[in-house]
Amino acid sequence: GIQVEQSPPDLILQEGANSTLRCNFSDSVNNLQWFHQNPWGQLINLFYIPSGTKQNGRLSATTVATERYSLLYISSSQTTDSGVYFCAVEGFTGGGNKLTFGTGTQLKVEL
Amino acid sequence: NAGVTQTPKFQVLKTGQSMTLQCAQDMNHEYMSWYRQDPGMGLRLIHYSVGAGITDQGEVPNGYNVSRSTTEDFPLRLLSAAPSQTSVYFCASRPGGESGQPQHFGDGTRLSIL
Repeated sequence: GIQVEQSPPDLILQEGANSTLRCNFSDSVNNLQWFHQNPWGQLINLFYIPSGTKQNGRLSATTVATERYSLLYISSSQTTDSGVYFCAVEGFTGGGNKLTFGTGTQLKVEL
Repeated sequence: NAGVTQTPKFQVLKTGQSMTLQCAQDMNHEYMSWYRQDPGMGLRLIHYSVGAGITDQGEVPNGYNVSRSTTEDFPLRLLSAAPSQTSVYFCASRPGGESGQPQHFGDGTRLSIL
């Protein structure tokens, strides 16, 4: 199956700083999603981005499908951005809805 | 539009007990799936369904049963709970047809097996 690697595993930022999270995957994908898991455990869908670039407020994401990676940018970070960020992908041979998750990036934003 | 609704939110069981985790969606999505999340890990697929009457196994299916009698509901059954099944369980759904559509997740069920 598809392998998904996220980096860095942990990240501590001062409020207002910018950051880039990376997701590498081992095969072609037809679905790539970025999620934020908040401190209450809810999975918040940030982006559906199998290719290209999208922006939503202070967050943006870019997926370069031919090179098998995706980047999540967080600008002007806030304490509410703390939590775990997951990348999840689905390959073309999934035959259903088989999302494979990375192990996540634990982000802590401090005052 | 409630999206994906999971019940209960929390549950404590004793080893050997059985229970059913409920999942319902009101978006008329064909595809539904169950994942489990263990500490420090991403989600892993347990079972999934591509339509009413059709289910299949995911990465970690042992100890769990599913059925899909309606489009809206996809319950997950633990027949004889074991401590190794202590986890957070998430249900997800997405439209069917063409692949490559985003999945929508419920808020999770936190299950502890004593």
